Order: sequence, then structure tokens, then C-alpha cells
Amino acid sequence: EPEVTQTPSHQVTQMGQEVILRCVPISNHLYFYWYRQILGQKVEFLVSFYNNEISEKSEIFDDQFSVERPDGSNFTLKIRSTKLEDSAMYFCASTERGLGYEQYFGPGTRLTVT
Amino acid sequence: DQQVKQNSPSLSVQEGRISILNCDYTNSMFDYFLWYKKYPAEGPTFLISISSIKDKNEDGRFTVFLNKSAKHLSLHIVPSQPGDSAVYFCAASEGWGNAGNMLTFGGGTRLMVKP
Repeated sequence: EPEVTQTPSHQVTQMGQEVILRCVPISNHLYFYWYRQILGQKVEFLVSFYNNEISEKSEIFDDQFSVERPDGSNFTLKIRSTKLEDSAMYFCASTERGLGYEQYFGPGTRLTVT
Repeated sequence: DQQVKQNSPSLSVQEGRISILNCDYTNSMFDYFLWYKKYPAEGPTFLISISSIKDKNEDGRFTVFLNKSAKHLSLHIVPSQPGDSAVYFCAASEGWGNAGNMLTFGGGTRLMVKP
């Protein structure tokens, strides 16, 4: 069964460093998403991406964040200068179409900022 | 932001019995609802969804009920099995005009099914 994959599973970085989280969405899917879950809190939407551009972004997704689909398979989330409060599980998701189609999530990347 | 709320942080049920997980929402623009299951160290796994034009959707042991007037949905699992033990998240999406299709999640309910 096709699945969303994410790498790395765990990333430890120092405050102020740049990190890139990688995702390979399901191959025939067209919409891509990043969510995050800070420990003990809700899963929160960050950004959605369709047709090579951002469709929607939350207040969390400020100038320190960017997304890219550098080729036909990868979807990346970059945090330019990490802060302690960026420590969280980051989930990538994809869906075949828009509303009315379920989003499939990857296993997540645990980001620890020290 | 409490647009989607799951008031029970945990639920314990005996194997074979019915599990009922509840979810309330406040945003009347939500018109597509999903339930996800999550095991530790894994991503959310899609279980079942319902659009606002329906009040019930069934898939095997899982049934979701939607009461739009009460802004309430519930997930029924019958019969419950020990492998169902996980955290269950309710999620909602707003309107066909929302091209981003972002999901707003509840806080989750931890279900424990005892053998």
C-alpha cells in the first residue's frame, strides 16, 4: 500500500541552525501539507501546497519557514533559524484531490532544538 | 483556539463492547470531518470521514455520526478490540472555498480496550 515517508525520523539541532525536513508524498497525490505537534498539544496545520505554490498557511508559518517541491517526488520544509519552541513532531501529509479526500500522513520527524 | 474539541482525554472499554468517542466543533463553516487513529511514534492514520450532507457513515466496525445542529460528531467502534487501543483524533475542514483544505484537529482521546 502506498505511504507517505519522511526523513529523518529524528533530527537534533542547535538553536539558530537551519534544518530541512524531507517528505515523499504518495506518488499520484497532488496536495501536500505540513503539520506539527508540540509535545502534549494538538496537531497544528502549518502549510498546504498545490501546483507548486502555497495554497494556505497558518500564523505559525512565518518567514522562518519555507516549503519546496524540488523535484517530482520530494516535498521539503525548511526552518531557517531554529528556535527552542520549534521542537515538535513534524508531519507531512498528502491527498489525491482537495476537500472531500482524506489526507494521508507520514510517520513524522521529531525535531529537537537545543 | 478550540474550534474542535474532544472533551474526554481518555476512555477505557472492555473488549467486545462498544467504544464511543465524541467530538464537538464551533465553526459552522466546517463541512468535512475525519477521524484519525494514532499510535506512539507514528503518524495519524485515516479511519473514516463524513461530509456535512450526511449524518452517518459506516465502514466495517467503525461508524461516524454527525449532528450538525448540535455541532457534534461521534465515532462508534463495535466490537472494540485490544488492537484499537490508540489515541483518536477528530479533525475538520472548512468549506469548498478553502483551497488549502487545512485540517483543524481536536486534542485527542486515548482509547484503552481491555482484554
